[in-house]
Amino acid sequence: AQKVTQAQTEISVVEKEDVTLDCVYETRDTTYYLFWYKQPPSGELVFLIRRNSFDEQNEISGRYSWNFQKSTSSFNFTITASQVVDSAVYFCALSEGSGGSYIPTFGRGTSLIVHP
Amino acid sequence: NAGVTQTPKFRVLKTGQSMTLLCAQDMNHEYMYWYRQDPGMGLRLIHYSVGEGTTAKGEVPDGYNVSRLKKQNFLLGLESAAPSQTSVYFCASRDRRNEKLFFGSGTQLSVL
Repeated sequence: AQKVTQAQTEISVVEKEDVTLDCVYETRDTTYYLFWYKQPPSGELVFLIRRNSFDEQNEISGRYSWNFQKSTSSFNFTITASQVVDSAVYFCALSEGSGGSYIPTFGRGTSLIVHP
Repeated sequence: NAGVTQTPKFRVLKTGQSMTLLCAQDMNHEYMYWYRQDPGMGLRLIHYSVGEGTTAKGEVPDGYNVSRLKKQNFLLGLESAAPSQTSVYFCASRDRRNEKLFFGSGTQLSVL
C-alpha cells in the first residue's frame, strides 16, 4: 500500500480557475512531516512547503494554500486563480520519524495543466 | 553556493556496461538520498545515507550500489546496466535538523 496517495494523475484547468490537488498519507508515527514539491517542465524539483504533524494550522502563501487535516490524513494543496506558469507536476511527500531517520516517501505526483 | 550538483546530466549506456553517478553537496548536510523518477511512479528511493561512511537501502535498491566516503559526496553505481534502469535519477540532501530536501538537477540515463 502506498504511504502517500495522490489520486489525481492529471488535472486540466483553464487559467484563473481554482484547483485543489489532493494528498492522502498513511503513517503510524506520531511525529512526521509533510511536504509539497513542484516539478516544472524544466525538470528541477522545487520545495513549496513543509508541515509537521503537530501543526494543523492551514497556511496561505499568495495564491497557494494548504489544508492539513489529521483526522482524514490529508494534506491538500489549493491554487487560487491558476496561471499558465503553475503548469507542473506536483508531488506530495511524507517523512516519518522512525528512529530519528526521517525517510522521505513521495506520492506519484499530479500533473497540472493550466490552459490560457 | 552551488547546492547539490549531479554529474553527468545525460548518459546513454549499453546493456551490461557500468557507470557511476556523482552527487556533490556543499551545504555540509548529513543526509543524502538517491531517487529514481519514472513516468507515473513518482520518485522512488534507491539508497540513502545518514552520514559519512554509512549507507542504507531504500525502496528499490536492486542493481545499484552506493558509497559515501566523503560527507559531501554520494556516489551511485550501476555495475551491469539493464534497460529497466532507464530513468531520471535525482540526488537530494538535507540537514539533520531540517527535513526539507535540496535536490540536484537530475541525470537522465538511457540503457539500450
